[in-house]
Amino acid sequence: EAGVAQSPRYKIIEKRQSVAFWCNPISGHATLYWYQQILGQGPKLLIQFQNNGVVDDSQLPKDRFSAERLKGVDSTLKIQPAKLEDSAVYLCASSRGTVLHEQYFGPGTRLTVT
Amino acid sequence: KQEVTQIPAALSVPEGENLVLNCSFTDSAIYNLQWFRQDPGKGLTSLLLIQSSQREQTSGRLNASLDKSSGRSTLYIAASQPGDSATYLCAVMEGSARQLTFGSGTQLTVLP
Repeated sequence: EAGVAQSPRYKIIEKRQSVAFWCNPISGHATLYWYQQILGQGPKLLIQFQNNGVVDDSQLPKDRFSAERLKGVDSTLKIQPAKLEDSAVYLCASSRGTVLHEQYFGPGTRLTVT
Repeated sequence: KQEVTQIPAALSVPEGENLVLNCSFTDSAIYNLQWFRQDPGKGLTSLLLIQSSQREQTSGRLNASLDKSSGRSTLYIAASQPGDSATYLCAVMEGSARQLTFGSGTQLTVLP
């Protein structure tokens, strides 16, 4: 079974520019998560989808971050405009459901904002 | 608010040693606890998952224990190998949305 796919793997942008990340979860996984991992820290949940609906986006900086999961499959996370502190690895994960189901992580996208 | 702490932040050991990584959490109302491994430039790989009703889980040279009442978990690695070098993260699942809260990780280096 194919794992969680993410692209691009690396991205370098200047502050105030915009950027988008893409995630394709494991087939059949209803729940999709976006995490932000700053260097030296553990991942922090940004947003959680159940099918194409948002379960929790309480830690998503909504003034600059947006995410969507059209058709309940793949998802995009966008930052506009980017700030220096957005430099991090953005991880996507998926699971079959939310009740005690294991999350499977993609390789992440490393974003550098200069 | 749940806080997950991992000690030590970094650890270097010679090959063949047995070692213990520690994880503590402040709110014991969790569904489960997971240990992950993260290699540089890669995503997270789940190593062990302990349900809140369980005390320990074993997989090969790895053994994880959970003491929910005291808010502690340990990951025991037996006979360490250079290939075990990675960052080890623990995470607790909690809340109505079953979300994971992670610690900052322990960076392990096993020297040949």
